[in-house]
Amino acid sequence: NAGVTQTPKFRVLKTGQSMTLLCAQDMNHEYMYWYRQDPGMGLRLIHYSVGEGTTAKGEVPDGYNVSRLKKQNFLLGLESAAPSQTSVYFCASRSRIETQYFGPGTRLLVL
Amino acid sequence: GQQLNQSPQSMFIQEGEDVSMNCTSSSIFNTWLWYKQEPGEGPVLLIALYKAGELTSNGRLTAQFGITRKDSFLNISASIPSDVGIYFCAGPRGGAGGTSYGKLTFGQGTILTVHP
Repeated sequence: NAGVTQTPKFRVLKTGQSMTLLCAQDMNHEYMYWYRQDPGMGLRLIHYSVGEGTTAKGEVPDGYNVSRLKKQNFLLGLESAAPSQTSVYFCASRSRIETQYFGPGTRLLVL
Repeated sequence: GQQLNQSPQSMFIQEGEDVSMNCTSSSIFNTWLWYKQEPGEGPVLLIALYKAGELTSNGRLTAQFGITRKDSFLNISASIPSDVGIYFCAGPRGGAGGTSYGKLTFGQGTILTVHP
């Protein structure tokens, strides 16, 4: 039982490049979330999903897209990376009644 | 929008000291959560509070749900070096009403450093 896993762990992008961050959970959770963490600002919700095939915008969705084609996976895409998207990205999942379990994070640097 | 304000922003203490931190909001929350994040890791849930006035302990950690439902407190007794990390409070987005779908609002965190 691995819990919530994220790939890659670290990535460097040039401005304008695209990439996809993968989150996988093996707990059969319905809900999944993507957050970004910046110094002094806590975690801010980017997008979330309440089930397979559904997605919704969070607090800071601009510049990101997501997909939940399979229940266990939640993908976060950056179509054209910008330096302002340099951050640490965390994925989380939960069942309908439990609290959230977080992955180990992906550190992204956009030059 | 909803905001959670944590204080202090950072703490430097000696091993063995007690620690107190708090989290306040302008909105009412029905649930308060306290997470700890260690360097290079994701946040891990420490304590969950579901009722105004509730006092809950987890080992050396004690958290309280404020009576006004607009604040919460976390205390750590007899700190040890492995207590180092960032402590976050969090509550459901949508506050007291509506369906939050488990979305959370986080405070900005309290950075704790413990000197041996």
